[in-house]
Amino acid sequence: AQTVTQSQPEMSVQEAETVTLSCTYDTSESDYYLFWYKQPPSRQMILVIRQEAYKQQNATENRFSVNFQKAAKSFSLKISDSQLGDAAMYFCALTQGGSEKLVFGKGTKLTVNP
Amino acid sequence: DAGVTQSPTHLIKTRGQQVTLRCSPISGHKSVSWYQQVLGQGPQFIFQYYEKEERGRGNFPDRFSARQFPNYSSELNVNALLLGDSALYLCASSPGTFYTGELFFGEGSRLTVL
Repeated sequence: AQTVTQSQPEMSVQEAETVTLSCTYDTSESDYYLFWYKQPPSRQMILVIRQEAYKQQNATENRFSVNFQKAAKSFSLKISDSQLGDAAMYFCALTQGGSEKLVFGKGTKLTVNP
Repeated sequence: DAGVTQSPTHLIKTRGQQVTLRCSPISGHKSVSWYQQVLGQGPQFIFQYYEKEERGRGNFPDRFSARQFPNYSSELNVNALLLGDSALYLCASSPGTFYTGELFFGEGSRLTVL
């Protein structure tokens, strides 16, 4: 079975600062994808960043980057230069390659303080 | 282009009743998935449909059923509602082919069972 664990129910960061959200996972598959999804208070969940397990290079999307430690099964999200609009629930998710069945963690609520 | 649309946005039912939730995917998307998000938890996979065929089913009782129509829209039905069925039901779509892992979510249908 695939599992995703987010151990930080809540995090806060000052505007313009950097914050790191943690995620660990477990899977027996060798072909899998990892994701960070953002769910703002309006509820529509959007993809923040994606990492293919076979790629050693960490994914980066503008201010968002990941630290993918495959052996440790760790997948953290770093948000640089935090903005008020980054405030949301952040979900780490995992799927087997080719499958649309995502397994989500419980989420981390990020607050950005002005 | 319109995103994933879901209806109704909110509804209240009583125990034992039946509910139908509807979803229209992004134009050109042939795959629709349904997720249940209980308050304070991450979404849980219920079903995936692609080209009108069920491609995946999560660990939900037979009271939950779904179907996909020729225009790729989808319905989720829940019979004999229980209090525990109270949740946000999310629909997500994807192209369904050359899948890269990104799902596009709707804003959800908030179901309250009294």
